[in-house]
Amino acid sequence: GAVVSQHPSWVICKSGTSVKIECRSLDFQATTMFWYRQFPKQSLMLMATSNEGSKATYEQGVEKDKFLINHASLTLSTLTVTSAHPEDSSFYICSARRQGLSYNSPLHFGNGTRLTVT
Amino acid sequence: GEDVEQSLFLSVREGDSSVINCTYTDSSSTYLYWYKQEPGAGLQLLTYIFSNMDMKQDQRLTVLLNKKDKHLSLRIADTQTGDSAIYFCAERNDYKLSFGAGTTVTVRA
Repeated sequence: GAVVSQHPSWVICKSGTSVKIECRSLDFQATTMFWYRQFPKQSLMLMATSNEGSKATYEQGVEKDKFLINHASLTLSTLTVTSAHPEDSSFYICSARRQGLSYNSPLHFGNGTRLTVT
Repeated sequence: GEDVEQSLFLSVREGDSSVINCTYTDSSSTYLYWYKQEPGAGLQLLTYIFSNMDMKQDQRLTVLLNKKDKHLSLRIADTQTGDSAIYFCAERNDYKLSFGAGTTVTVRA
């Protein structure tokens, strides 16, 4: 159990367009989902924390108007990269915490989305 | 994650044991985690340890925690080619996880 699915797994878009990435918890409900960004050969950097039914909490330095997060249901969070630029090219990974578990409980990660902006 | 440090590379012969080390800075961390990332994929939780434990064993995996030195290690016994991946340690800081830069483990025949 505890499967997190991301879609798409990779996407190429032109500079100036917007891209939406979906993160779904397939077999559990997730009140909290997290969005990370990973640069090549580097660690994961938390971008924002997404809580179902409320506004996302963004980490310092992350532009909330550029990276729009919506967590409209207990099984789906979306990240939209607006007006994408080549420097937004990265690997984006989401994770989810099962509803009802403490904040210390392990997170389950999706397989990531490779975004390339040309 | 500047708060969590790991060596970047480890090469090990198939069948030998691998030991991946990690140091962290937040003494209030309650849980520490090991994740595995295969090429182009997300993170897979391998194991985790609560801060009041010294050791946890799960099949081929052994986690050792030295809370005094803020040192965490992951030992993989009988390392297989399928163990080649990047291994991240992570500590719980309040509501979020802080990750190390990852250790790339290469298993050679």
